[in-house]
Amino acid sequence: QITLKESGPTLVKPTQTLTLTCTFSGFSLSTSGVGVGWIRQPPGKALEWLALIYWDDDQRYSPSLRSRLTITKDTSKNQVVLTMTNMDPVDTATYYCAHSRMVRGDSFDPWGQGTLVTVSS
Amino acid sequence: SYVLTQPPSVSVAPGQTARITCGRDNIGSESVHWYQQKPGQAPVLVVYDDSDRPSGIPERFSGSNSENTATLTINRVEAGDEADYFCQVCDSSGDHPGVFGTGTKVTVL
Repeated sequence: QITLKESGPTLVKPTQTLTLTCTFSGFSLSTSGVGVGWIRQPPGKALEWLALIYWDDDQRYSPSLRSRLTITKDTSKNQVVLTMTNMDPVDTATYYCAHSRMVRGDSFDPWGQGTLVTVSS
Repeated sequence: SYVLTQPPSVSVAPGQTARITCGRDNIGSESVHWYQQKPGQAPVLVVYDDSDRPSGIPERFSGSNSENTATLTINRVEAGDEADYFCQVCDSSGDHPGVFGTGTKVTVL
């Protein structure tokens, strides 16, 4: 059974850097074709794709947020970390991590429960 | 910009068929995934690669994709299908590696 769980601060101040950790079990991020992605959802709004890291350390980023995002993995700890710089109140959202497989078109299945991050001074 | 357009809402009576569209020029040339999200919960994948279902998803959920519109169809709608639905396109080799649609709220009357 694959599970993922997001962790990190619930409140950050404007201009600070957000660091979120996704801790997973039930799969290995060293297996060919496997990836872990990050997605966010502002309250009452649509999902927004942020970043994806593959088993071979290839990284993909949203073009609109690329300059602010970094995604890394620690295969030995079964963790993926997302950092987002220069946080702003508009970045207030629930942040999800999710498992993906290339053979399923990089669709996300399953997802973590999500963590709400509020940006406020 | 890369936008996937969905109708904001769809209403359907129990037992009837709900169709949710996802539009973009030439979306038929790409693979589309669909997610169901109930209030306060994380999204769940219901269809991937246009028309495949993950294990555990009822056969009532099906997908199609042609030309400028991808469609998620829910047959014999049940009260438990009331949720938000999002389409997604992934293009790992292109400029837009992952994009979600605007979302559709399905209301069961």
